[in-house]
Amino acid sequence: KQEVTQIPAALSVPEGENLVLNCSFTDSAIYNLQWFRQDPGKGLTSLLLIQSSQREQTSGRLNASLDKSSGRSTLYIAASQPGDSATYLCAVFNQAGTALIFGKGTTLSVSS
Amino acid sequence: EPEVTQTPSHQVTQMGQEVILRCVPISNHLYFYWYRQILGQKVEFLVSFYNNEISEKSEIFDDQFSVERPDGSNFTLKIRSTKLEDSAMYFCASRRRGNILNYGYTFGSGTRLTVV
Repeated sequence: KQEVTQIPAALSVPEGENLVLNCSFTDSAIYNLQWFRQDPGKGLTSLLLIQSSQREQTSGRLNASLDKSSGRSTLYIAASQPGDSATYLCAVFNQAGTALIFGKGTTLSVSS
Repeated sequence: EPEVTQTPSHQVTQMGQEVILRCVPISNHLYFYWYRQILGQKVEFLVSFYNNEISEKSEIFDDQFSVERPDGSNFTLKIRSTKLEDSAMYFCASRRRGNILNYGYTFGSGTRLTVV
């Protein structure tokens, strides 16, 4: 059964810092991996989608990498801003099913 | 940018009552999903729906739950007799037709259900 783990659970940084969020999954048989942002009490906003054959994807200050063989993905945020404060969720799409399987998320706080 | 729309944003109901949560997926999407998130816990899969039938469901999705696409635009989740433990944020999501490798999910903003 696929398990997705995200570390750290929470992270506080000053504005301007570069940071890395980690995601690991136990079953490497995935179609793709998606990173989401969730603001308190709100929905899920898709940030990046990485296909299983890709190594990384970039969007603005965000860069996500995928190492399928080791079951790991990282989300790199450059030059963090207070507006980046949110919970970041990693989710994998298994080849075995039709559902996304989520990690518990990393809650990021960026102070000005 | 196209959105998945969910109504209501908040619903409070008494234990044992029936509730219907509504979603309008993106118009050219063909795969529809419900997920839920109990406060402080992971987002959990409930059910996927394609071609007017359930394609997969989780252990959570028992006989108290049902889904329906009553017309060309709405997608609903019904809970027949709500329990306290059904209190959660319920998310609707949709995905366009095509290679799963290429297309991710679009989620709605959620319905917060509180059972009292």
